[in-house]
Amino acid sequence: AQTVTQSQPEMSVQEAETVTLSCTYDTSESNYYLFWYKQPPSRQMILVIRQEAYKQQNATENRFSVNFQKAAKSFSLKISDSQLGDTAMYFCAFSVMNNNAGNMLTFGGGTRLMVKP
Amino acid sequence: KAGVTQTPRYLIKTRGQQVTLSCSPISGHRSVSWYQQTPGQGLQFLFEYFSETQRNKGNFPGRFSGRQFSNSRSEMNVSTLELGDSALYLCASSLPGQEKLFFGSGTQLSVL
Repeated sequence: AQTVTQSQPEMSVQEAETVTLSCTYDTSESNYYLFWYKQPPSRQMILVIRQEAYKQQNATENRFSVNFQKAAKSFSLKISDSQLGDTAMYFCAFSVMNNNAGNMLTFGGGTRLMVKP
Repeated sequence: KAGVTQTPRYLIKTRGQQVTLSCSPISGHRSVSWYQQTPGQGLQFLFEYFSETQRNKGNFPGRFSGRQFSNSRSEMNVSTLELGDSALYLCASSLPGQEKLFFGSGTQLSVL
């Protein structure tokens, strides 16, 4: 079984600054995906960024980037130039890489991020 | 292309009743999965359907069931509702063999 832990229940950042959200996970699998999802007040989960475990290069999507440390089982999210629209709950998630087995996400407890003007 | 549609958005039931929630996936998506979100337990996987067959199941009692139709639309049913079933129920769909899930806005179920 996999576990995902987010140790920061709440964080705040000033607009235009940079913030890093932490995530650690535990698994015995060698091939897997890691994700960061954003859940704004509208409740819809939106994929922010994903990382394949076999890739050493850290994923980047515009202002969002990750620091993936496979040996340490760490997967942090960095948000640069924070915007008011980034205010949301952020969830770290894990899934085993096996197309035939389907998709089953294990989520962390979430970090509530508030971007202040 | 329309996103994942969940109906209804809000639902109020009383203990002992049963409820059915509906999810229409994105066109072309054949995998539909369901998650329960509560303040205490967080986000938990309920089950996943692919081509009308349950492919994965989470650790929930038998009161929670689901099905998928030939057009990929899915329903989940909760029988004999308990207060602890109050939650946001999220549905997600994906293309075959793709790990990226697209979520709906959820159904907020309140059990009184």
